Amino acid sequence: DAKTTQPNSMESNEEEPVHLPCNHSTISGTDYIHWYRQLPSQGPEYVIHGLTSNVNNRMASLAIAEDRKSSTLILHRATLRDAAVYYCITAMNRDDKIIFGKGTRLHILP
Amino acid sequence: EAQVTQNPRYLITVTGKKLTVTCSQNMNHEYMSWYRQDPGLGLRQIYYSMNVEVTDKGDVPEGYKVSRKEKRNFPLILESPSPNQTSLYFCASSLGVGNQPQHFGDGTRLSIL
Repeated sequence: DAKTTQPNSMESNEEEPVHLPCNHSTISGTDYIHWYRQLPSQGPEYVIHGLTSNVNNRMASLAIAEDRKSSTLILHRATLRDAAVYYCITAMNRDDKIIFGKGTRLHILP
Repeated sequence: EAQVTQNPRYLITVTGKKLTVTCSQNMNHEYMSWYRQDPGLGLRQIYYSMNVEVTDKGDVPEGYKVSRKEKRNFPLILESPSPNQTSLYFCASSLGVGNQPQHFGDGTRLSIL
């Protein structure tokens, strides 16, 4: 079973911020939180990852709850090109297996 | 350009005819893995490899084999393909697991008749 839980789909208006939630209640202290996205007809693409502190990069921000049982991917200003399936995964250092869930399909409304 | 290359991109074949999907990366990554993607099921890991000659099963390894004789290559082998292996396959590589992002190929769409 997937170790993360995400909503099946979300909608947002273009040029507005989007907050994509993810629950990972069984995360351990050394597990990193990764986000990937998959645009239509493409392979998954790395977005961002973090361990405990919030992270920012040119694509997005990652807000990690203090207890690390949940996280939120923030797209600061959504564009139509951000319409994709977003996957949240926990990548463990002690186990080399990686488990993806079903992801959140993000629809952007013009 | 840093990339993960899969071949072929598309293949239609028949049940029982052995096939190999190749995967090659030019980033000197140690970790490589194969996933299959099916509607409603998301991405599921088939096999992964931490380094040369080191491979291990993912969540759905049945019916597949892999090998890692060289660092850059990680072929996926279907010895006797069956229709339930019709799927979209992705190869990925990374420097490691926990703190390293994965780089994915463009995918291989297999149809087994």
